[in-house]
Amino acid sequence: DAGITQSPRHKVTETGTPVTLRCHQTENHRYMYWYRQDPGHGLRLIHYSYGVKDTDKGEVSDGYSVSRSKTEDFLLTLESATSSQTSVYFCAITGHANEQFFGPGTRLTVL
Amino acid sequence: DQQVKQNSPSLSVQEGRISILNCDYTNSMFDYFLWYKKYPAEGPTFLISISSIKDKNEDGRFTVFLNKSAKHLSLHIVPSQPGDSAVYFCAASAGDAGNMLTFGGGTRLMVKP
Repeated sequence: DAGITQSPRHKVTETGTPVTLRCHQTENHRYMYWYRQDPGHGLRLIHYSYGVKDTDKGEVSDGYSVSRSKTEDFLLTLESATSSQTSVYFCAITGHANEQFFGPGTRLTVL
Repeated sequence: DQQVKQNSPSLSVQEGRISILNCDYTNSMFDYFLWYKKYPAEGPTFLISISSIKDKNEDGRFTVFLNKSAKHLSLHIVPSQPGDSAVYFCAASAGDAGNMLTFGGGTRLMVKP
């Protein structure tokens, strides 16, 4: 257990509404990541953070923003949700040997 | 274009036999490879990894083989157990800042009793 929690675990929202997903870790890891998982695509990196207030874009960052004001929290925001953002979102942290450990996921449905 | 590919979306194996999951990559800068296992409604779980300086890494029933010249890696599970039924993802990183992982699309393994 890498001490990663995600909230909410499930969310249904409407197109055009803002949505924020939260990732919380308890082990003071420097690097944190947000991925989305879609059938046939595996997991794709949205954004990542390498420290407080230090973030960078991943492969599929359009339509998403992130913030990290504390080491333990990494927030993913969809400013105006679209149906193409219906997905399962996973947060991850990097372990000691460069492997990544994942949270339980958030299933987001945009109607 | 996908840099990491798992060409078999599914695999069915009899309990006790060997499961072989395959993964191909195109980016020659990748130098670290990982396998993850995922059950429904859970996050991926790290299984085993291999550095590009090795061609084999073993951990219990799981062995990963890396063929750099062919840009191919495989995961062997011996013997396969019903509890191994899950989706398996291979992933690769280029050792750059952030250790960003590039994932394959996954292979669903079904181990029949």
